[in-house]
Amino acid sequence: SQQGEEDPQALSIQEGENATMNCSYKTSINNLQWYRQNSGRGLVHLILIRSNEREKHSGRLRVTLDTSKKSSSLLITASRAADTASYFCVMNRDDKIIFGKGTRLHILP
Amino acid sequence: DSGVTQTPKHLITATGQRVTLRCSPRSGDLSVYWYQQSLDQGLQFLIQYYNGEERAKGNILERFSAQQFPDLHSELNLSSLELGDSALYFCASSVVLTSGGPLSGANVLTFGAGSRLTVL
Repeated sequence: SQQGEEDPQALSIQEGENATMNCSYKTSINNLQWYRQNSGRGLVHLILIRSNEREKHSGRLRVTLDTSKKSSSLLITASRAADTASYFCVMNRDDKIIFGKGTRLHILP
Repeated sequence: DSGVTQTPKHLITATGQRVTLRCSPRSGDLSVYWYQQSLDQGLQFLIQYYNGEERAKGNILERFSAQQFPDLHSELNLSSLELGDSALYFCASSVVLTSGGPLSGANVLTFGAGSRLTVL
C-alpha cells in the first residue's frame, strides 16, 4: 500500500489556537487534497493544491506543498470546536487516489 | 446531503451471512469507489468502477465483490461474513471536471454517509 503518512496521529489544542498537520508521501503526484471526517460520517473535501503550486488558502485553511520533500501541511487558524474531526491528506496521481492514515484533531474548550 | 446515497445506513447480521450494500453516485459522476473503515485499519480502498467497468482494485477480499450497473449505481456484496468485517463502508463518486476553475482536471471525491455493518 502506498499510503501517505500523517503527523501527528492525534492533536489536541485549545480553541482559538492554530492547528498544523503534516503529510508525507512517496510517489510523484498531480495534486494533493485534504479531507475532513467528523466522527462516523463521510469524508468532506476541504482544499486541493496542485503539484505546481506551493501554497493555497481557503478561509481559515492554509495548505503548503513541497514536492522536493514530498510533503504537505494543513494549517487551521483560529480553531473552533466544530473543527474537531479527523483530517486526511489524499494524493492523486493519474487515476490513483491514495489516502493517508489521518490526524485526529480535538479542539478543547 | 452530499448527493451520494448509501443504503442501508446500519446493518446487523451474523457470521457466515451475505449482505449487499448499495450506492447511488452523485448525478453526473461516472466513477464509484468503495472504502472500508475500521478502527484498527483506517480507511482502506477496496475497488473503483468507472462507467460500469472495474478500474482499480485495492485490498478487497475474495469474499467481497462489487459491480456498477448501467444506471451507474453500484453494489458491494460481502459474503461469508466474519467478525472482522464489521466496519463502516463508504462509497464515493467523482468526475474529473474539464470546464475550468480551481478543481479542473482533478479527481475530487464526494463521499456518502456510509453503511455501518456489524457482524455478530
